[in-house]
Amino acid sequence: NAGVMQNPRHLVRRRGQEARLRCSPMKGHSHVYWYRQLPEEGLKFMVYLQKENIIDESGMPKERFSAEFPKEGPSILRIQQVVRGDSAAYFCASSPLEGRGYGYTFGSGTRLTVV
Amino acid sequence: ILNVEQSPQSLHVQEGDSTNFTCSFPSSNFYALHWYRWETAKSPEALFVMTLNGDEKKKGRISATLNTKEGYSYLYIKGSQPEDSATYLCAPNQAGTALIFGKGTTLSVSS
Repeated sequence: NAGVMQNPRHLVRRRGQEARLRCSPMKGHSHVYWYRQLPEEGLKFMVYLQKENIIDESGMPKERFSAEFPKEGPSILRIQQVVRGDSAAYFCASSPLEGRGYGYTFGSGTRLTVV
Repeated sequence: ILNVEQSPQSLHVQEGDSTNFTCSFPSSNFYALHWYRWETAKSPEALFVMTLNGDEKKKGRISATLNTKEGYSYLYIKGSQPEDSATYLCAPNQAGTALIFGKGTTLSVSS
């Protein structure tokens, strides 16, 4: 039973390029969460999605960032026109139901470096 | 966005010492409180999910308590071992929302 799969593990982009981060939740999990870890910071919430729905995107920057979780396929976090400040580790987590009685399962993260 | 405070920020103990950390969160609209363990270069791993006031959970040498009325949770580690070295995160949430993580307590255990 594969866990949460994130790819790529490492991504290098030049300023102005687009970054696409993928997350496949655990089998049977329908809730996906994206978090960002900036240097010297903890895990910052970005967006909470269910299949084909954005439940809460209050942690997403208003510009250049978007997320989706289509009916088929992985969840995608997309960052357009990346800047150096976007360099961070991006973690995806999934849960079978909303997180009252169920812990989240985290992926290994994607480390984005903008040069 | 919930305001979650964890203390201390970091802690260094000797092998065999017992220790505890605190997580403070808003008590209004409480739904659940999660504890995670995050080792360097790995992913956060769920330790406990607590939902009821007065809950106590235990896993081996690690235990946690919850007070939802005053908005705090304690994590205890009995007889710390070097393999307990990690960052311990707490995360409360309200109904229908994602977990909001504190900055964590980083524990270092020397042998």
